[in-house]
Amino acid sequence: EVQVVQSGAEVKKPRESLKISCKASGYSFTNYWIGWVRQMPGKGLEWMGIIYPGDFDTRYSPSFQGRVTISADNSITTAYLQWSSLKASDTAMYYCARGGGRTEGGHFDFWGQGTLVTVSS
Amino acid sequence: EIVLTQSPGTLSLSPGERATLSCRASQSVSSYLAWYQQKPGQAPRLLIYETSNRATGIPARFSGSGSGTDFTLTISSLEPEDSAVYFCQQRNTWPLTFGGGTRVEIK
Repeated sequence: EVQVVQSGAEVKKPRESLKISCKASGYSFTNYWIGWVRQMPGKGLEWMGIIYPGDFDTRYSPSFQGRVTISADNSITTAYLQWSSLKASDTAMYYCARGGGRTEGGHFDFWGQGTLVTVSS
Repeated sequence: EIVLTQSPGTLSLSPGERATLSCRASQSVSSYLAWYQQKPGQAPRLLIYETSNRATGIPARFSGSGSGTDFTLTISSLEPEDSAVYFCQQRNTWPLTFGGGTRVEIK
Protein backbone atom coordinates (compact mmCIF):
# COMPACT_ATOMS: atom_id res chain seq x y z
CA GLU A 1 0.00 0.00 0.00
CA VAL A 2 1.35 3.39 -1.01
CA GLN A 3 1.60 5.82 1.89
CA VAL A 4 2.90 9.36 2.16
CA VAL A 5 3.26 10.66 5.71
CA GLN A 6 4.38 14.16 6.57
CA SER A 7 6.00 15.56 9.68
CA GLY A 8 3.93 17.42 12.25
CA ALA A 9 2.84 21.02 12.56
CA GLU A 10 5.48 23.67 13.21
CA VAL A 11 5.38 27.06 14.89
CA LYS A 12 8.38 29.23 14.12
CA LYS A 13 9.52 32.82 14.37
CA PRO A 14 10.49 35.02 11.41
CA ARG A 15 14.08 34.48 10.20
CA GLU A 16 14.24 31.01 11.71
CA SER A 17 15.08 28.00 9.56
CA LEU A 18 12.85 24.96 9.05
CA LYS A 19 12.96 21.56 7.35
CA ILE A 20 9.79 19.49 7.01
CA SER A 21 9.68 15.92 5.81
CA CYS A 22 7.63 13.54 3.70
CA LYS A 23 8.09 9.81 4.27
CA ALA A 24 7.01 7.59 1.39
CA SER A 25 6.45 3.84 1.47
CA GLY A 26 4.82 1.02 -0.43
CA TYR A 27 6.45 1.70 -3.80
CA SER A 28 9.86 2.16 -5.41
CA PHE A 29 10.82 5.59 -4.07
CA THR A 30 13.45 6.31 -6.71
CA ASN A 31 11.10 5.71 -9.64
CA TYR A 32 8.55 8.48 -9.01
CA TRP A 33 8.70 12.24 -8.68
CA ILE A 34 7.67 13.78 -5.35
CA GLY A 35 6.28 17.28 -5.37
CA TRP A 36 5.46 19.99 -2.85
CA VAL A 37 2.33 22.16 -2.90
CA ARG A 38 1.49 25.20 -0.79
CA GLN A 39 -1.99 26.19 0.31
CA MET A 40 -2.30 29.48 2.14
CA PRO A 41 -5.28 29.89 4.47
CA GLY A 42 -8.51 29.94 2.48
CA LYS A 43 -6.67 29.91 -0.86
CA GLY A 44 -5.93 27.57 -3.75
CA LEU A 45 -3.11 25.17 -4.51
CA GLU A 46 0.32 26.45 -5.57
CA TRP A 47 2.93 24.12 -7.04
CA MET A 48 6.29 24.81 -5.39
CA GLY A 49 8.65 22.27 -6.82
CA ILE A 50 9.44 18.61 -7.39
CA ILE A 51 12.28 16.13 -7.12
CA TYR A 52 13.02 12.87 -8.88
CA PRO A 53 14.85 10.77 -6.26
CA GLY A 54 16.30 8.47 -8.92
CA ASP A 55 18.77 11.12 -10.11
CA PHE A 56 17.88 14.06 -7.81
CA ASP A 57 16.65 16.16 -10.73
CA THR A 58 14.84 19.06 -9.03
CA ARG A 59 12.55 21.68 -10.56
CA TYR A 60 11.12 24.77 -8.90
CA SER A 61 8.32 27.19 -9.59
CA PRO A 62 9.79 30.64 -10.32
CA SER A 63 7.66 31.88 -7.41
CA PHE A 64 9.60 29.69 -4.98
CA GLN A 65 13.04 29.39 -6.62
CA GLY A 66 15.67 30.63 -4.18
CA ARG A 67 13.22 30.71 -1.28
CA VAL A 68 13.03 26.98 -0.57
CA THR A 69 15.17 23.89 -1.11
CA ILE A 70 13.80 20.47 -1.97
CA SER A 71 15.89 17.38 -1.28
CA ALA A 72 15.56 13.64 -0.76
CA ASP A 73 17.27 10.88 1.20
CA ASN A 74 16.79 7.62 -0.66
CA SER A 75 18.14 5.52 2.21
CA ILE A 76 15.05 6.43 4.25
CA THR A 77 12.66 7.13 1.33
CA THR A 78 12.02 10.66 2.57
CA ALA A 79 11.73 13.98 0.78
CA TYR A 80 12.28 17.35 2.42
CA LEU A 81 11.27 20.97 2.02
CA GLN A 82 13.38 23.54 3.78
CA TRP A 83 13.64 27.26 4.39
CA SER A 84 16.72 29.10 5.62
CA SER A 85 14.86 32.22 6.75
CA LEU A 86 11.11 32.09 7.27
CA LYS A 87 8.71 34.98 6.80
CA ALA A 88 5.24 35.50 8.18
CA SER A 89 3.96 35.07 4.61
CA ASP A 90 5.21 31.45 4.67
CA THR A 91 2.34 30.59 7.01
CA ALA A 92 0.43 27.90 5.14
CA MET A 93 -0.37 24.23 4.81
CA TYR A 94 2.28 22.35 2.84
CA TYR A 95 1.49 19.11 1.07
CA CYS A 96 3.80 16.59 -0.51
CA ALA A 97 2.49 14.20 -3.12
CA ARG A 98 3.74 11.41 -5.35
CA GLY A 99 4.02 12.29 -9.01
CA GLY A 100 4.49 10.11 -12.04
CA GLY A 101 7.46 8.26 -13.48
CA ARG A 102 10.60 9.91 -14.88
CA THR A 103 9.06 10.94 -18.19
CA GLU A 104 5.59 11.57 -16.80
CA GLY A 105 6.27 14.43 -14.44
CA GLY A 106 3.62 15.44 -12.03
CA HIS A 107 0.08 14.37 -11.78
CA PHE A 108 -0.17 13.61 -8.08
CA ASP A 109 -1.90 10.41 -7.09
CA PHE A 110 -0.96 9.97 -3.43
CA TRP A 111 -0.89 12.93 -1.05
CA GLY A 112 0.43 13.43 2.43
CA GLN A 113 -1.84 14.73 5.17
CA GLY A 114 -0.23 18.16 5.07
CA THR A 115 2.11 20.01 7.42
CA LEU A 116 0.83 23.28 8.87
CA VAL A 117 3.58 25.85 9.22
CA THR A 118 2.85 28.95 11.29
CA VAL A 119 5.37 31.78 11.32
CA SER A 120 4.70 34.43 13.90
CA SER A 121 6.71 36.68 16.16
CA GLU B 1 4.35 29.78 -17.25
CA ILE B 2 1.00 28.31 -18.26
CA VAL B 3 -1.95 29.95 -16.55
CA LEU B 4 -5.02 27.80 -15.93
CA THR B 5 -8.30 29.68 -15.56
CA GLN B 6 -11.22 27.84 -13.99
CA SER B 7 -14.86 28.80 -14.30
CA PRO B 8 -17.25 29.36 -12.79
CA GLY B 9 -15.88 30.36 -9.42
CA THR B 10 -18.80 28.77 -7.63
CA LEU B 11 -21.45 26.34 -8.82
CA SER B 12 -24.57 25.80 -6.74
CA LEU B 13 -26.69 22.84 -7.83
CA SER B 14 -29.14 20.31 -6.43
CA PRO B 15 -28.51 16.59 -5.92
CA GLY B 16 -28.98 14.67 -9.14
CA GLU B 17 -28.13 17.64 -11.35
CA ARG B 18 -25.24 17.70 -13.79
CA ALA B 19 -22.19 19.84 -12.99
CA THR B 20 -19.91 21.15 -15.71
CA LEU B 21 -16.60 22.72 -14.68
CA SER B 22 -14.26 24.43 -17.09
CA CYS B 23 -10.47 24.81 -17.15
CA ARG B 24 -8.84 26.93 -19.84
CA ALA B 25 -5.07 27.01 -20.41
CA SER B 26 -3.14 30.05 -21.66
CA GLN B 27 -1.35 27.76 -24.12
CA SER B 28 -1.69 24.14 -25.17
CA VAL B 29 -1.11 21.49 -22.52
CA SER B 30 -1.84 18.67 -24.97
CA SER B 31 -3.76 16.05 -22.94
CA TYR B 32 -1.68 16.49 -19.79
CA LEU B 33 -4.38 17.85 -17.54
CA ALA B 34 -5.61 16.48 -14.22
CA TRP B 35 -8.49 17.28 -11.89
CA TYR B 36 -8.46 17.13 -8.08
CA GLN B 37 -11.16 17.33 -5.47
CA GLN B 38 -10.52 18.93 -2.10
CA LYS B 39 -12.92 18.86 0.82
CA PRO B 40 -12.50 21.10 3.88
CA GLY B 41 -9.68 20.00 6.15
CA GLN B 42 -8.52 17.31 3.73
CA ALA B 43 -5.69 16.89 1.27
CA PRO B 44 -6.58 17.04 -2.41
CA ARG B 45 -7.58 13.81 -4.11
CA LEU B 46 -6.77 12.94 -7.72
CA LEU B 47 -9.95 12.40 -9.73
CA ILE B 48 -8.89 12.48 -13.38
CA TYR B 49 -5.49 12.39 -15.08
CA GLU B 50 -4.41 12.86 -18.70
CA THR B 51 -7.71 14.64 -19.41
CA SER B 52 -10.07 11.69 -19.20
CA ASN B 53 -8.67 8.81 -17.14
CA ARG B 54 -10.36 8.21 -13.82
CA ALA B 55 -8.00 7.56 -10.92
CA THR B 56 -8.38 4.40 -8.87
CA GLY B 57 -11.62 4.26 -6.91
CA ILE B 58 -13.20 7.33 -8.53
CA PRO B 59 -16.91 6.87 -9.29
CA ALA B 60 -18.04 6.75 -12.89
CA ARG B 61 -20.16 9.88 -12.46
CA PHE B 62 -16.89 11.86 -12.77
CA SER B 63 -15.62 12.30 -16.31
CA GLY B 64 -13.14 14.54 -18.07
CA SER B 65 -12.82 15.74 -21.63
CA GLY B 66 -11.00 18.27 -23.81
CA SER B 67 -7.63 18.83 -25.39
CA GLY B 68 -5.16 21.61 -26.08
CA THR B 69 -6.44 24.59 -24.13
CA ASP B 70 -10.03 23.77 -23.16
CA PHE B 71 -11.00 21.10 -20.68
CA THR B 72 -14.14 20.06 -18.83
CA LEU B 73 -14.85 18.05 -15.70
CA THR B 74 -18.39 16.71 -15.63
CA ILE B 75 -20.19 15.26 -12.64
CA SER B 76 -23.14 13.53 -14.25
CA SER B 77 -25.44 13.33 -11.24
CA LEU B 78 -24.40 15.24 -8.13
CA GLU B 79 -24.29 13.51 -4.77
CA PRO B 80 -24.20 15.41 -1.47
CA GLU B 81 -20.63 14.21 -0.88
CA ASP B 82 -19.47 15.97 -4.07
CA SER B 83 -19.55 19.30 -2.25
CA ALA B 84 -15.91 20.41 -2.53
CA VAL B 85 -13.45 22.61 -4.38
CA TYR B 86 -12.14 21.24 -7.67
CA PHE B 87 -8.75 22.16 -9.13
CA CYS B 88 -7.23 21.48 -12.52
CA GLN B 89 -3.46 21.05 -12.98
CA GLN B 90 -1.19 20.74 -16.03
CA ARG B 91 2.00 18.73 -16.34
CA ASN B 92 2.81 19.51 -19.97
CA THR B 93 5.34 22.25 -19.26
CA TRP B 94 7.55 23.25 -16.34
CA PRO B 95 6.63 24.88 -14.05
CA LEU B 96 3.60 22.76 -13.25
CA THR B 97 0.59 24.92 -12.48
CA PHE B 98 -2.82 24.66 -10.84
CA GLY B 99 -6.00 26.50 -11.66
CA GLY B 100 -7.64 28.72 -9.08
CA GLY B 101 -10.43 26.26 -8.31
CA THR B 102 -14.21 25.94 -8.64
CA ARG B 103 -16.33 25.52 -5.54
CA VAL B 104 -19.28 23.16 -5.96
CA GLU B 105 -22.09 23.65 -3.47
CA ILE B 106 -24.98 21.23 -3.11
CA LYS B 107 -28.30 22.92 -2.41
